[in-house]
Amino acid sequence: DAGVIQSPRHEVTEMGQEVTLRCKPISGHNSLFWYRQTMMRGLELLIYFNNNVPIDDSGMPEDRFSAKMPNASFSTLKIQPSEPRDSAVYFCASSLDLPEAFFGQGTRLTVV
Amino acid sequence: AQSVSQHNHHVILSEAASLELGCNYSYGGTVNLFWYVQYPGQHLQLLLKYFSGDPLVKGIKGFEAEFIKSKFSFNLRKPSVQWSDTAEYFCAVNAPNSGGYQKVTFGTGTKLQVIP
Repeated sequence: DAGVIQSPRHEVTEMGQEVTLRCKPISGHNSLFWYRQTMMRGLELLIYFNNNVPIDDSGMPEDRFSAKMPNASFSTLKIQPSEPRDSAVYFCASSLDLPEAFFGQGTRLTVV
Repeated sequence: AQSVSQHNHHVILSEAASLELGCNYSYGGTVNLFWYVQYPGQHLQLLLKYFSGDPLVKGIKGFEAEFIKSKFSFNLRKPSVQWSDTAEYFCAVNAPNSGGYQKVTFGTGTKLQVIP
């Protein structure tokens, strides 16, 4: 199995632009998580899906952030418009009925 | 809501020293507990996990952790660290959230630096 696949690995964008991060979970897994990691705040859970349905989005920082999971093999995290304070590493993780999560390599986002 | 506390933010050890990283959680019910490791520039990888049974759990690379229910703790230990153990270590707890769904909560992480 290829594991959780995230793209792109690195993204540099200008403030105000839309950014879309992508994630392909491990085949057969039914839970998907989006995390953000920064030096200041550590690892934060943004949102998680179970069977493609958002279960807990209490960690989404504001309306500029949105996440979708149109099917079991794909999810996106969108930031529109992006701001410099959104710069972070964004991780996607998946699991089968919890509780052990498998992480992707992450997307390093830099907003200038 | 559950929370996870890792009291040591940055630990510096010499090679061959013993390691213990603290982790405390707040949730009174049944939990699953994890330690993840993140090597520089890499993603998080599972070190070990506790679901039930023997409270002393052995993981990869010589790491172990002990679940002490009365203390709500799940400390990570290694008798002799190596330079290659330099990484950030995250404790995590899986427990039901207020909506009844399982939720994994991570601690803020402990950066371990091992000096040759």
